[in-house]
Amino acid sequence: EAQVTQNPRYLITVTGKKLTVTCSQNMNHEYMSWYRQDPGLGLRQIYYSMNVEVTDKGDVPEGYKVSRKEKRNFPLILESPSPNQTSLYFCASSKTGNRGAQHFGDGTRLSIL
Amino acid sequence: AQTVTQSQPEMSVQEAETVTLSCTYDTSESDYYLFWYKQPPSRQMILVIRQEAYKQQNATENRFSVNFQKAAKSFSLKISDSQLGDAAMYFCAYRPRDDKIIFGKGTRLHILP
Repeated sequence: EAQVTQNPRYLITVTGKKLTVTCSQNMNHEYMSWYRQDPGLGLRQIYYSMNVEVTDKGDVPEGYKVSRKEKRNFPLILESPSPNQTSLYFCASSKTGNRGAQHFGDGTRLSIL
Repeated sequence: AQTVTQSQPEMSVQEAETVTLSCTYDTSESDYYLFWYKQPPSRQMILVIRQEAYKQQNATENRFSVNFQKAAKSFSLKISDSQLGDAAMYFCAYRPRDDKIIFGKGTRLHILP
């Protein structure tokens, strides 16, 4: 089954404790992206990657890091989480060539206390 | 800067009636894609419909259709014969050549039985 898998689905943690949200896709997609969703703000792109070893900043990259060492994986790293990073996070993937619709993961609810 | 505006934070429609959700965007590009996504209470992101900017014909998917006005930079979604299962948050999204995707803030649609 074609899917984008995010882990964990829920996480409550404390300020300053490094965390990683994993994202993996099994569709051989070149393009992967991270978003955060906040009430009243819609989805905002954090980082995206056009292919292995290629990453670019989205609209809200501050406080986040990503890496794309393998085509299927695109982890999101919060080196020193802060309460303003409490949000719902989505990973998504798609083909690049036809800039098709993205497949989304089920979301990760992060709470930073 | 490229922006996507959904001017209706919330809308309601009677079951079996037709409703139109509006979306406008700002861009200087001529080659891009537009999407409508649905997010039900399960918070999954589900593709509703996609439109390529170079195609003049409006996209249609069963009860869902768009009114794409390229010169006016307008991309509205029409839902015919509304059903209870259509209740969700709807997001308009713009994908340009550089793949930096921008979402609107969303419209919450209520279906009245």
